[in-house]
Amino acid sequence: SQQGEEDPQALSIQEGENATMNCSYKTSINNLQWYRQNSGRGLVHLILIRSNEREKHSGRLRVTLDTSKKSSSLLITASRAADTASYFCATDEGNTPLVFGKGTRLSVIA
Amino acid sequence: NAGVTQTPKFQVLKTGQSMTLQCAQDMNHNSMYWYRQDPGMGLRLIYYSASEGTTDKGEVPNGYNVSRLNKREFSLRLESAAPSQTSVYFCASSGQGGSEQYFGPGTRLTVT
Repeated sequence: SQQGEEDPQALSIQEGENATMNCSYKTSINNLQWYRQNSGRGLVHLILIRSNEREKHSGRLRVTLDTSKKSSSLLITASRAADTASYFCATDEGNTPLVFGKGTRLSVIA
Repeated sequence: NAGVTQTPKFQVLKTGQSMTLQCAQDMNHNSMYWYRQDPGMGLRLIYYSASEGTTDKGEVPNGYNVSRLNKREFSLRLESAAPSQTSVYFCASSGQGGSEQYFGPGTRLTVT
């Protein structure tokens, strides 16, 4: 299994600060995705980055991918209390099911 | 457009009882998935169906069976529930393997 590993496991920041979460994986991938899960809810897709891409933006989200280091980072800028959630990375090897990491729990304090 | 729906939302079973979790999607997706989520464990894939008429085992298939009833519906059956199957179960769908997945709201199952 090439399960992604998120780091840190938990992160607590003040509203307005930036939050950075990291994901490392073990083998070659086709795509890497990030998902958010609010407490008691299903996961919601945030962003997909392909193995030949190095950076992608979506609103306040910035994702980077370094395939040489087998790692990705998710940056949330100017965080809000509503960003409080768990964040998961997920990888695939090409038309295969996603494999999810264990997640980072982000708390944004107002 | 409801996306992915799951029933029931909550269920309590006694050890040895059986039940079926239902999942349906209205996005015309080919692929559907069943996951379980336990505290500190992330999501683990139980079974998936890459297309109508096919099913494959995931990481943790023991104790479960699935049926891809048609393109819309993918059910998960517990034949003889065990306390170790206490978990939150999520169904998801995607256009194809590796693409963005859409998740249902989950079923919280407790086996006593």
